[in-house]
Amino acid sequence: GAVVSQHPSWVICKSGTSVKIECRSLDFQATTMFWYRQFPKQSLMLMATSNEGSKATYEQGVEKDKFLINHASLTLSTLTVTSAHPEDSSFYICSARDLTSEQYFGPGTRLTVT
Amino acid sequence: KNQVEQSPQSLIILEGKNCTLQCNYTVSPFSNLRWYKQDTGRGPVSLTIMTFSENTKSNGRYTATLDADTKQSSLHITASQLSDSASYICVVSVQNNNAGNMLTFGGGTRLMVKP
Repeated sequence: GAVVSQHPSWVICKSGTSVKIECRSLDFQATTMFWYRQFPKQSLMLMATSNEGSKATYEQGVEKDKFLINHASLTLSTLTVTSAHPEDSSFYICSARDLTSEQYFGPGTRLTVT
Repeated sequence: KNQVEQSPQSLIILEGKNCTLQCNYTVSPFSNLRWYKQDTGRGPVSLTIMTFSENTKSNGRYTATLDADTKQSSLHITASQLSDSASYICVVSVQNNNAGNMLTFGGGTRLMVKP
């Protein structure tokens, strides 16, 4: 089956620094990838939709200048959390959509901002 | 407004027992409904997918049902195991021809299986 990877799986950073999270579709091409955030005991919340070669579409309330998304190739999307603060600590999950509109989720990245 | 509601929010059962999780949705136009299992600290993994015309689908000890008329789905777990402890998320896909199908997530049911 289709596999989506994320790197790193967990990261700890200091407040004010930036962190980049990678999402890769390993065995299929994904023109669209999605970034989700999940707080403890809550379900996934869509942050943004990333389309290859174009600007991402952000959900209401998500700051595009804080969460920079780049989807430069059909197999890679990156999420950069800029000037991270403790309230950005969360579990970030990406998903990739294949040509059949099937979405596959990555294993997630645990971000802790100290 | 598209919504997916799950019940119960949490559930504790003894190992070996069966349980049923519920999902109600108000999503239109409906494309398909999936049940995902999410272990703590991991991404969701698909258990079953059902389209409008399918009433039931099994995957090992997991059996999902779908009633498209009442817009309800259930996930039945048989002979539970300790490894079944996880969050189970009901996700309904909405048809969006211009942008591809979009997903609406339920809040999940947190299942704990105790020995």
